Amino acid sequence: AQSVAQPEDQVNVAEGNPLTVKCTYSVSGNPYLFWYVQYPNRGLQFLLKYITGDNLVKGSYGFEAEFNKSQTSFHLKKPSALVSDSALYFCAVRPPYSSASKIIFGSGTRLSIRP
Amino acid sequence: DAGITQSPRHKVTETGTPVTLRCHQTENHRYMYWYRQDPGHGLRLIHYSYGVKDTDKGEVSDGYSVSRSKTEDFLLTLESATSSQTSVYFCATGEEGSYEQYFGPGTRLTVT
Repeated sequence: AQSVAQPEDQVNVAEGNPLTVKCTYSVSGNPYLFWYVQYPNRGLQFLLKYITGDNLVKGSYGFEAEFNKSQTSFHLKKPSALVSDSALYFCAVRPPYSSASKIIFGSGTRLSIRP
Repeated sequence: DAGITQSPRHKVTETGTPVTLRCHQTENHRYMYWYRQDPGHGLRLIHYSYGVKDTDKGEVSDGYSVSRSKTEDFLLTLESATSSQTSVYFCATGEEGSYEQYFGPGTRLTVT
């Protein structure tokens, strides 16, 4: 079955330190990969996507993600965390040849940045 | 969120009553989706639409129906609400060929 896994329910990082939020997927073929962020009482906001090309993708708010095909991973990273980065982060995958742009979401990782 | 609105934003209803949630978009996007968000489950797709009057089921469609009579509106109906349908419901839209989705602010539904 096609799936997305976010192995950490919560990640805690000190402000100014680098952060990584992990994501692995189980999809055959070449999927499209996404990261979304959700702030309290808001809908999800698109951060970045990987479709093809360079394995390192840059997105909004200084975030980037690295696609690793051999490890089927798409980890979200930021060199220096801000308190305002505290939010719920979702990884998502669109299987190849899926209809209507349907995507599968992971269960989410809560990122907490302490001052 | 600016181009996608959901109504109501909060609703409390009793078991067995019908409930309709509305999603309205001003983006003229072709695709529209209804998700539910529950702790530990992320977002799960209920139904989606790929055009006016064209809809299909997602992974958790039992107990829900949808309608799309205009490009801009996508309605989600709980035919007879149950406590297991207490959740936060999100509408999303998508453009042809862009792959990412754009989300509304959500509706918090409580079924007592």
